[in-house]
Parts: sequence; structure tokens; C-alpha cells
Amino acid sequence: QVQLVQSGAEVKKPGASVKVSCKASGYTFTSYDINWVRQATGQGLEWMGWMNPNSGNTGYAQKFQGRVTMTRNTSISTAYMELSSLRSEDTAVYYCARGGLPYPRLGNYFDYWGQGTLVTVSS
Amino acid sequence: DIVMTQSPDSLAVSLGERATINCKSSQSVLYSSNNKNYLAWYQQKPGQPPKLLIYWASTRESGVPDRFSGSGSGTDFTLTISSLQAEDVAVYYCQQYYSTLRSLTFGPGTKVDIK
Repeated sequence: QVQLVQSGAEVKKPGASVKVSCKASGYTFTSYDINWVRQATGQGLEWMGWMNPNSGNTGYAQKFQGRVTMTRNTSISTAYMELSSLRSEDTAVYYCARGGLPYPRLGNYFDYWGQGTLVTVSS
Repeated sequence: DIVMTQSPDSLAVSLGERATINCKSSQSVLYSSNNKNYLAWYQQKPGQPPKLLIYWASTRESGVPDRFSGSGSGTDFTLTISSLQAEDVAVYYCQQYYSTLRSLTFGPGTKVDIK
């Protein structure tokens, strides 16, 4: 069965960076894109960007351009999301999510989600 | 960016009754090349990640109970729970995936409770 397992909770100081991992299993990792979505406590869902694990191509939401980097290690079927210059407003649960369409013509919906990683930014 | 709005913000429905959630996009998410609406619905329970319910506006994901249905086209969409069960208490989000892979957006969510 498809599973996305994320790394554990992180506490960071303002200005630092955080790198969250997402290990995929149960399907061919390079066949579906991986997206990252975050959710502040009590708030809605905010899409951050996507990565094609096969090519390494990425696309980031305008809001995170310049601060986010999505990468992957295909040998261990793991995707990574690194967010830099952290501020208190970045405190949130970060989810990885698999794109449901293998070759999306436009955007994608998300059929499998990781369990979430809480990132707390506090001095 | 395409802006998604949802109504109501919250609703309380008696067990066994119908719940209806509306979602509106600021521009059409109907792609003329394939005549598909790029609209999905998710259910999120407290402490859990979202779960995909519906994609292509009306296609139910495998394993989703048939009391959940999606309808609509263009800019106006509806998620209907035909007979609310206790386990359906959750926040429901719509999401457009019409934009290129640089701008996917969710609605603000609708909280469904038992009356």
C-alpha cells in the first residue's frame, strides 16, 4: 500500500532553516510528483510547491519563491523540503502529498498524504 | 492566482440528514481540451492529514462511501453528504488544480458538525 512517512517534529530559531523528509513506499517513486502543503494551527491548507521525482523539476508557489527548495534522493525514494529564513509565521504542520495524476497536463490533486511534521519557530 | 471561496463557514446537521457545501472559484476551472473540471474535495479530521474524497469535481476516490457526491461545473461546485454519519464530522476543503503547477489553491474550509 502507498505510504508517505515524514520526519519528526522540529524546533528552530528565527532565521534558521529546516529540512523535512518524506519517504515513499508502495509505488514507483519516480512516477508521481510530490507536493508540499502546510497548515498553521487552526488554519487552512496552503500549497507550497511540487517536485517531479523523476526529473527533479520543481515549481514553487510565488509566496515561497527564494525560500523553499524541494529535492529528492531516488535511491531511497525520499523527497525533501527545505525552508530557509524561518520566521514565527512559518510555525505549522508541513505535509507531503502525492500527486494523483502521473502526467498532469495542468495541476494535480493529492491522493496520498504523509502524517505531517510540526515545525515550530521560536526564539 | 485562482481564489477559492466556500460557504457556509460551518454547518450543523442532524444525523441522517443532508449536508451541502458550496465552493466557488474566481475563474473557470473547466479545461476545454478535455472537458474536465479541475476541482477536488478533501475531508480533514482533527489531528489527521486531509483525505481525498472527490476529484474531477464528481469522481469519487476509491473507498469513499457513496453518500459523498460532488457536482458542478465552471466556477460553482457542491459537495453533498446525503445522510450525515457521526464519522463525517470534519472540515471539508475544495481545491482547484486548473492552474499550472505553480499556483494550486484551496478553499478556506467548511466545518461540519452534528446538530
